[in-house]
Amino acid sequence: NAGVTQTPKFQVLKTGQSMTLQCAQDMNHEYMSWYRQDPGMGLRLIHYSVGAGITDQGEVPNGYNVSRSTTEDFPLRLLSAAPSQTSVYFCASQKGGLAGPTDTQYFGPGTRLTVL
Amino acid sequence: KQEVTQIPAALSVPEGENLVLNCSFTDSAIYNLQWFRQDPGKGLTSLLLIQSSQREQTSGRLNASLDKSSGRSTLYIAASQPGDSATYLCASLGGSQGNLIFGKGTKLSVKP
Repeated sequence: NAGVTQTPKFQVLKTGQSMTLQCAQDMNHEYMSWYRQDPGMGLRLIHYSVGAGITDQGEVPNGYNVSRSTTEDFPLRLLSAAPSQTSVYFCASQKGGLAGPTDTQYFGPGTRLTVL
Repeated sequence: KQEVTQIPAALSVPEGENLVLNCSFTDSAIYNLQWFRQDPGKGLTSLLLIQSSQREQTSGRLNASLDKSSGRSTLYIAASQPGDSATYLCASLGGSQGNLIFGKGTKLSVKP
């Protein structure tokens, strides 16, 4: 199993550009989520999905869109990049549709995004 | 709203020392408490998961405890090694979104 994969590893954007961060998992996990990690802020939830066709907002959803057309893939779209979106983005997945007490979350290696 | 705090923010110890990392949380209604390790420029690796009904979990030189009543968890690392140098994050799982609430981490440096 490759686990959770993310592409690209690094990206530099100009303000106003759009892009999609890719996330895929090969563990047949129902639950997938996107976090951003900022210095001094820790990791914060952007969006999550409890299964194909179902998505919902997390703590910091503004400026981001998601969709979940398959179990494996959960792309994160930046509509019009802003310098405040400079961050490290992590995708995670876990087995259950919603958190179960024994479920571990598996994280991808992250995408380091800089918006100029 | 759940808040997770980790103290200290950074810790430097000599190799071979036993050490304790602390994590506190404000809402005791959690499903579980997880400890992760993050190496520089890398993703998060799950170390230990303690269910809300459990008191502790052990894996090798690592032992994590959970006291829901006081809102505390500790990660004990025995006989520390330079390879243990990393940032350690604790996170609580609760609520309806299935997401983890993270502390800001403790950056551990083990000196040879």
